[in-house]
Amino acid sequence: QQQVKQSPQSLIVQKGGISIINCAYENTAFDYFPWYQQFPGKGPALLIAIRPDVSEKKEGRFTISFNKSAKQFSLHIMDSQPGDSATYFCAASRDTGFQKLVFGTGTRLLVSP
Amino acid sequence: GAVVSQHPSWVICKSGTSVKIECRSLDFQATTMFWYRQFPKQSLMLMATSNEGSKATYEQGVEKDKFLINHASLTLSTLTVTSAHPEDSSFYICSARDGTSGVPYEQYFGPGTRLTVT
Repeated sequence: QQQVKQSPQSLIVQKGGISIINCAYENTAFDYFPWYQQFPGKGPALLIAIRPDVSEKKEGRFTISFNKSAKQFSLHIMDSQPGDSATYFCAASRDTGFQKLVFGTGTRLLVSP
Repeated sequence: GAVVSQHPSWVICKSGTSVKIECRSLDFQATTMFWYRQFPKQSLMLMATSNEGSKATYEQGVEKDKFLINHASLTLSTLTVTSAHPEDSSFYICSARDGTSGVPYEQYFGPGTRLTVT
């Protein structure tokens, strides 16, 4: 119940295209859903996060879509650029205790020029 | 703002020796710090959580006597890998949460430390 399932494992998108990464969770107590971007040899950096009281959040080219009934959320990267090539992790947390993050397995995105 | 640093960024040590990794919050008070390890092409695995001045809480399967965590102040946490072995070679990442701010949940990650045990 603590798992967050992420797909696809890898993704190749042409420059200017839309990258879509999906995550699904089981624990309905989760109430914070962030997305992280990680470049090789670096720590993850927060991209965007959403709470379940909204179905969509947009920041620049990045959008999170959230479906509470389906227990799914996704990251959309519009107008994908080669600089977006990185590994993306979804995560989930609940508002109790230490608010530990449960990470998805990661998606390696390659944006071809 | 919300910068977390780690030192060293990489370290090579011989099998059987101990290695200490520092994690610092540079511009906020880190009431809670987290330590993760990440193997190549894999996700982050939480090792332990620590609150300032308290003993760390370790995740199941993580040896507390091998991975010593100290959170002595609101800006510093250390992870000591004792009697390191080649299988401990990994990328260690810390994160910190500012429990005094109005922004709940958010963790700020350090740049990571690459440990290689020969």
